[in-house]
Amino acid sequence: GAVVSQHPSWVICKSGTSVKIECRSLDFQATTMFWYRQFPKQSLMLMATSNEGSKATYEQGVEKDKFLINHASLTLSTLTVTSAHPEDSSFYICSASGLETQYFGPGTRLLVL
Amino acid sequence: QKEVEQNSGPLSVPEGAIASLNCTYSDRVSQSFFWYRQYSGKSPELIMSIYSNGDKEDGRFTAQLNKASQYVSLLIRDSQPSDSATYLCAVNDGGATNKLIFGTGTLLAVQP
Repeated sequence: GAVVSQHPSWVICKSGTSVKIECRSLDFQATTMFWYRQFPKQSLMLMATSNEGSKATYEQGVEKDKFLINHASLTLSTLTVTSAHPEDSSFYICSASGLETQYFGPGTRLLVL
Repeated sequence: QKEVEQNSGPLSVPEGAIASLNCTYSDRVSQSFFWYRQYSGKSPELIMSIYSNGDKEDGRFTAQLNKASQYVSLLIRDSQPSDSATYLCAVNDGGATNKLIFGTGTLLAVQP
């Protein structure tokens, strides 16, 4: 139980393009999902909290117009990195809030050229 | 500002030894505590949860909680090289969404 998937697992894109990452809870419904970013050898950084049917709550310093979050159903949240630049290259990880705690997806590695 | 603190390590232990990972938290009213393991290049996976003072055992893992001292630890018995990873301590922020406050993690290296 408590399985979370992410798609794609790897994406390479050109600077200026937009990239969409999907996060799905496969065997439970998640009213809340979280999006994190992790640079090499650094800690997890929470970007935003995604609530089904309402606007996401962004952490301080995270640009909401650049990182668009949509949580259209109880099993799906999407993160769109708009006009990606090389400094957006990172490991993006989602998690879904289950009965006990958060359960993480496998992550999406983004490389912007 | 709620904080969770861990020693970044690396903590190096020989194979077969007990690895002891420690964590302190600042919010006295915190109720739920978690240990996640993160292998290099992978996402975190939940390995232990603890809610009450005392010890909780699951296989080779034991979580210990002392709310009076605001201290939570993870013991790994019979450490194996496959246990080498970063261990993240996390505390529920008290809201209804399971938002977690994470420590920066302790890197454990088990030497064969």
